[in-house]
This record gives sequence, C-alpha cells and structure tokens, in this order.
Amino acid sequence: QSALTQPASVSGSPGQSITISCTGTSSDVGGYKYVSWYQQHPGKAPKLMIYDVSNRPSGVSNRFSGSKSGNTASLTISGLQAEDEADYYCSSYTISSTQVFGGGTKLTVL
Amino acid sequence: EVQLVQSGAEVKKPGESLKISCKGSGYSFTSYWIAWVRQMPGMGLEWMGIIYPGDSDTRYSPSFQGQVTISADKSISTAYLQWSSLKASDSAIYFCARHETIAEAAGYWGQGTLVTVSS
Repeated sequence: QSALTQPASVSGSPGQSITISCTGTSSDVGGYKYVSWYQQHPGKAPKLMIYDVSNRPSGVSNRFSGSKSGNTASLTISGLQAEDEADYYCSSYTISSTQVFGGGTKLTVL
Repeated sequence: EVQLVQSGAEVKKPGESLKISCKGSGYSFTSYWIAWVRQMPGMGLEWMGIIYPGDSDTRYSPSFQGQVTISADKSISTAYLQWSSLKASDSAIYFCARHETIAEAAGYWGQGTLVTVSS
C-alpha cells in the first residue's frame, strides 16, 4: 500500500490557523473512520493528537481539530503557538487490516 | 500509568541478527495490540506491523512482510521485533506503540530504539 499524501511543509504566524491535508484512497482514508494525527518534535516519540477523524485525546488542546471529506482528511490548528512547530503525520486503517502513515508535514511557526 | 519501555540502542554489522524489545506495564498487556514503526534518519514514520499478545495474531505491512518478525511473550509483557540478517538500510529508530484495536490509533508510544547497522 502507498503512503498517504501530505504536503511536505506548511507555515503560519502565531495566532493564525493552518490546515494540513492527508489524501488517500477509498481503501484507507475514504473507507474508514479510523484516521488519526500525530505530532512529533525532534528527537521525541510521536504523540497522538486526533483519533477517529475528529476526536481529541484527553489533554490535547482544543486548538487542534480534525475532519474528513471523501478520501481526504485534514488537521487544523488554530491560534498557532511556537510550541506547535513540529512534524505532523496522518495515519489510516486500511482494507488490508493494516495501517499506513502519511509522508509527514513540517510545520513552521514564523 | 501505561508505559512502553524499549530496549537500548544497538550497533550491529551487516548480516548479523537482532531482536529488540518493548515491555508494557500499567495495563493488561494481552488486551491491546502492539505495533512497530520505523523512522529512518531524517525521514517519516513507516508502519511495519502489529501483534495482539493475547493470541499472537500478527499482521505485517506488505513492505515489511518477510523482512522482520514480530512476536510477543505475554508472560513477561514484552513484544519483540527481530531481524535474521541485518542490512545497512535497516539503520533507523524503531518505535513500539499501543493500539486499542488493530484499526484504532496508537495512544501510547515507547521511547524508540536506535539501530545502527554498519561494517
């Protein structure tokens, strides 16, 4: 299975909102509610930010939100803060009973 | 507190075998799936495969099928990732992660194990 498609980089100024897209197929993103988003700071393990398309784990800021339309999922971060600068990865369950990640997006807070 | 603690960094030569571990604590080890994720230097996350320690049901990403073996010893709450013959291209950080079900997200992650394969 191919990796999900994400933009390589996005940027925004503090206080602004940004959206990261994640495009797959009907065999993964489009076929299931099991899309998740992870944040990874350099040298750290990934951290779950969004699960099941739009749900936030306990402790994750409500500035993070997720959505899906067809084969494309999106992560929106509102009120950008310097600490949001990190790599973001989407992930989806697939028709093969496996999971697949996106290529990752580097978020720069200007 | 749920914790996944991985074994330490390894330096190996091409052709050698290796088994790294991920010990779960703070929860019922046999009731959750454990996945392995590769991150090559400067690159993104790659999902390798997953095991359910309760019955050792294991699934592999097509990219990793036949290249690695995932196993678990539920008596000591530990999952493993092993290679029979390492290649330089296996140099990476390997993370283990806990999934509620095979389809759902990974809410807990290990700290990562750095594997370096060099002659």
